[in-house]
Amino acid sequence: NAGVTQTPKFRILKIGQSMTLQCTQDMNHNYMYWYRQDPGMGLKLIYYSVGAGITDKGEVPNGYNVSRSTTEDFPLRLELAAPSQTSVYFCASSDSGTGTEKLFFGSGTQLSVL
Amino acid sequence: DAKTTQPTSMDCAEGRAANLPCNHSTISGNEYVYWYRQIHSQGPQYIIHGLKNNETNEMASLIITEDRKSSTLILPHATLRDTAVYYCIVRPNQAGTALIFGKGTTLSVSS
Repeated sequence: NAGVTQTPKFRILKIGQSMTLQCTQDMNHNYMYWYRQDPGMGLKLIYYSVGAGITDKGEVPNGYNVSRSTTEDFPLRLELAAPSQTSVYFCASSDSGTGTEKLFFGSGTQLSVL
Repeated sequence: DAKTTQPTSMDCAEGRAANLPCNHSTISGNEYVYWYRQIHSQGPQYIIHGLKNNETNEMASLIITEDRKSSTLILPHATLRDTAVYYCIVRPNQAGTALIFGKGTTLSVSS
C-alpha cells in the first residue's frame, strides 16, 4: 500500500496566486487531516474531515478551503496565497473506529509564497 | 492552549536509554496520552499511546504516573536514528477529535 500520498512535494507561488495541495490515501480511512508546520515550530491543524462530505475547521483555517467528495481524497485549496502561508503542509489519515487516534502522515508539501 | 509541557531538548548517548518526560497535569479522565516523533523533514510517526496503564510495544515503553499528571516515554536502547522531535499529546477518547501538536522535545542521540 502507498499509504498517504501528497503532491506536489515542492511549490513556489507568487502572492495572490491560488493552488490546490492534493492528498489521497488508500487505507480506506474515514478521518483525514491537514496540518501546517512553520520552521522550528510544531504542527498546527488547519482542517479535518470525519468522512466524505463532512469537514471541520482546526486551529488555523483562515486562508484555506477543503472538500471531501470521496473517502480517498482530501484536497487543500489556497485561494489568494500570502507570504504567511509559506510552510510545510502535512496531510494525515486515521481509522478512528476504536476511538483512539493513530495517524498516518504523508511526506509533506513544502510551499513558498514570494 | 497547550495541554502538555515538555523540555525543549534532551541529549542521549547511543545505546543508552532515553527517558522523555511529559507533564499533563490538567488531563481529564477520558483523555489518552499519545506520543509521536518527527524525524527531520518527514511526516510525524506514531509511537505509542496509553490511558492509565503502562504500555510497551516494539518501539518504546510508556510509563504513566498513578495520578496521570505526567508520563515518560522510554526508548530502551537509543540509536542515532532515534534523533527526532518527540511530541506528547493528550486527546479525549472521542472519535473525530483531532490531535493537537505542541512544540515537542528535540532528542539528540550521539555516538
